[in-house]
Amino acid sequence: DAMVIQNPRYQVTQFGKPVTLSCSQTLNHNVMYWYQQKSSQAPKLLFHYYDKDFNNEADTPDNFQSRRPNTSFCFLDIRSPGLGDAAMYLCATSRAQGHNEQFFGPGTRLTVL
Amino acid sequence: DAKTTQPTSMDCAEGRAANLPCNHSTISGNEYVYWYRQIHSQGPQYIIHGLKNNETNEMASLIITEDRKSSTLILPHATLRDTAVYYCIVRVWGNNNDMRFGAGTRLTVKP
Repeated sequence: DAMVIQNPRYQVTQFGKPVTLSCSQTLNHNVMYWYQQKSSQAPKLLFHYYDKDFNNEADTPDNFQSRRPNTSFCFLDIRSPGLGDAAMYLCATSRAQGHNEQFFGPGTRLTVL
Repeated sequence: DAKTTQPTSMDCAEGRAANLPCNHSTISGNEYVYWYRQIHSQGPQYIIHGLKNNETNEMASLIITEDRKSSTLILPHATLRDTAVYYCIVRVWGNNNDMRFGAGTRLTVKP
C-alpha cells in the first residue's frame, strides 16, 4: 500500500540528454513537491504544485521543469543534465491545509555519465 | 538558510533513550517545530511537531523550552532501526514552501 511512488528507483542518463523522473500518489493530496538531495547533504526544495499552481523556488535552475497533468502524477524534467545534477530526487505530497505533514517517496537516484 | 542548529552526530545504546537537541533561537511566534528523520536510502519520514506545549506520539516525545528557543526530541527506547539522520525544522503552520532542511543529526544506535 505504497502512498508515494517514484519510478524508477535508479536512473542513468548521459550528459546533456533530457531525462524525466516520475512520481505518483494514492493520497489524493493537493500539494506535490520535488526535492534534490546530493550526497551527504540535506534535501533541498526545487518547486511544488498546489493543485495546478506551480511554485518555483528562486534558486532552482531553469534546467529543471515540472509537470502535473492530474492530482495523482507529477513529473520532474531535466532538460540538459550536467554532472552536477547527479543526486537523489525526492517527491513528497501533503494536504494543503493544517499542519501539512509531508509524505515522501523513496526517491530516484540519478546518475549522469 | 536553515533556522536551526543541531549536533552533527550522536550515538545511543540500544534500549536507552535518545535525546536529540535542536536550537532555534530566531523562531517566530507563528512557527512550529517539526522533526523528520531519514533512514539510509529512504525518503524523510515525519515524526512529530509542536508549537509550545510538549507533545508525545507513538514514535517520540517533543520537549520545547518555555522561551521556544530550543527543543529536544526524545526516542524513549531506541532500537537499531532508529539509526537515521534526524532533521529539526521550523516552519509556519499551513505553509507549503518553507520546509528548509538543515544538516540534521546523524543518530547511530549501537547494540
